[in-house]
Amino acid sequence: ILNVEQSPQSLHVQEGDSTNFTCSFPSSNFYALHWYRWETAKSPEALFVMTLNGDEKKKGRISATLNTKEGYSYLYIKGSQPEDSATYLCAFSNDYKLSFGAGTTVTVRA
Amino acid sequence: NAGVTQTPKFQVLKTGQSMTLQCAQDMNHEYMSWYRQDPGMGLRLIHYSVGAGITDQGEVPNGYNVSRSTTEDFPLRLLSAAPSQTSVYFCASSYSSGSYNEQFFGPGTRLTVL
Repeated sequence: ILNVEQSPQSLHVQEGDSTNFTCSFPSSNFYALHWYRWETAKSPEALFVMTLNGDEKKKGRISATLNTKEGYSYLYIKGSQPEDSATYLCAFSNDYKLSFGAGTTVTVRA
Repeated sequence: NAGVTQTPKFQVLKTGQSMTLQCAQDMNHEYMSWYRQDPGMGLRLIHYSVGAGITDQGEVPNGYNVSRSTTEDFPLRLLSAAPSQTSVYFCASSYSSGSYNEQFFGPGTRLTVL
């Protein structure tokens, strides 16, 4: 069982504000780090798959960075909108298995 | 493409009953997996398959069986349901290895065991 921690567990953001949150994972035997967005009553959808130390990926107003040496990744949301409200999951990949964190639930207030 | 489909969407079982959760994908993905999601916890891997005829255990395999006779289908069998198996079950698939490729998730099956 691989320990993947996400913090904070939840956060509330005012519309238009930017925010970020963390995923921590084991720094040894790293294969890949995944980020998923999970809206209520839907299924998780992939945002990013990151494999190299120093990777930065961006999709619209959402971006992510990766530090494999120290075992953490940040997800950033710039100019939050109500449609960004969701639970964001990270998953650490070790060989063929994915270990998920419990998620950070983001609520954007209009 | 339908993507990843799961049936049923909801199921109520009595303790000791058995059932099969169905999962199918039409994307010709080699890798398929089953997760369960419980409140306050992340998705936990039950079993996975890297191709037809090949399956392996994940983090929480006890009480579940799988088989992969075709690329498209990956059913999950509950042998003798227990209340601890009350959960939401997600099937996922990806191209090739689960490590480097994004997972595509099905809509989930909500299972209650009384």
